[in-house]
Amino acid sequence: GQQLNQSPQSMFIQEGEDVSMNCTSSSIFNTWLWYKQDPGEGPVLLIALYKAGELTSNGRLTAQFGITRKDSFLNISASIPSDVGIYFCAGPNYGGSQGNLIFGKGTKLSVKP
Amino acid sequence: NAGVTQTPKFQVLKTGQSMTLQCAQDMNHNSMYWYRQDPGMGLRLIYYSASEGTTDKGEVPNGYNVSRLNKREFSLRLESAAPSQTSVYFCASSEVQANYGYTFGSGTRLTVV
Repeated sequence: GQQLNQSPQSMFIQEGEDVSMNCTSSSIFNTWLWYKQDPGEGPVLLIALYKAGELTSNGRLTAQFGITRKDSFLNISASIPSDVGIYFCAGPNYGGSQGNLIFGKGTKLSVKP
Repeated sequence: NAGVTQTPKFQVLKTGQSMTLQCAQDMNHNSMYWYRQDPGMGLRLIYYSASEGTTDKGEVPNGYNVSRLNKREFSLRLESAAPSQTSVYFCASSEVQANYGYTFGSGTRLTVV
């Protein structure tokens, strides 16, 4: 079935640094979603991408829908302590009966003040 | 506040005990989902309900049952809890099209001893 591979698995950065993470798949996706999970909470949708090549920003976050449709990237500029958490990519699994979302295993971000 | 409400937030069970995790959403969403989250495994779909009156198995359904009580409520039952079911459980809801993403509850942390 479809799988999403996220890298890196974890990152330890200094406050103020920029962050880049990515998500890849062996199959094509028509939608890419990026979620953030704060410690002890459920994931929250950050950015949704619906078109190959699309670049979308949400504050200091920028995500891109790869041209091949098999990857997506999330960048965080000038990181702050509240950026700590797990970032998940997700996309609809059209192998399922209704296109349920499948999730990558996440990138865990730690920010040192 | 509008959203997905899960109860309880924490639970400790003995092996062989049963319990039901409750989930309710007030966004008039048609679809609801139960995921489990384990370290390094990401979010794995247990069961989902595309609409009121229907339920389907996800990736890891063994040991669980679900009930879509009405449009708002979707419960997850463990009939005979096992240590392997120690996990954090998330309920989510969405419009029929998964492309727009899911709204997650804040989770139930379950420990089976």
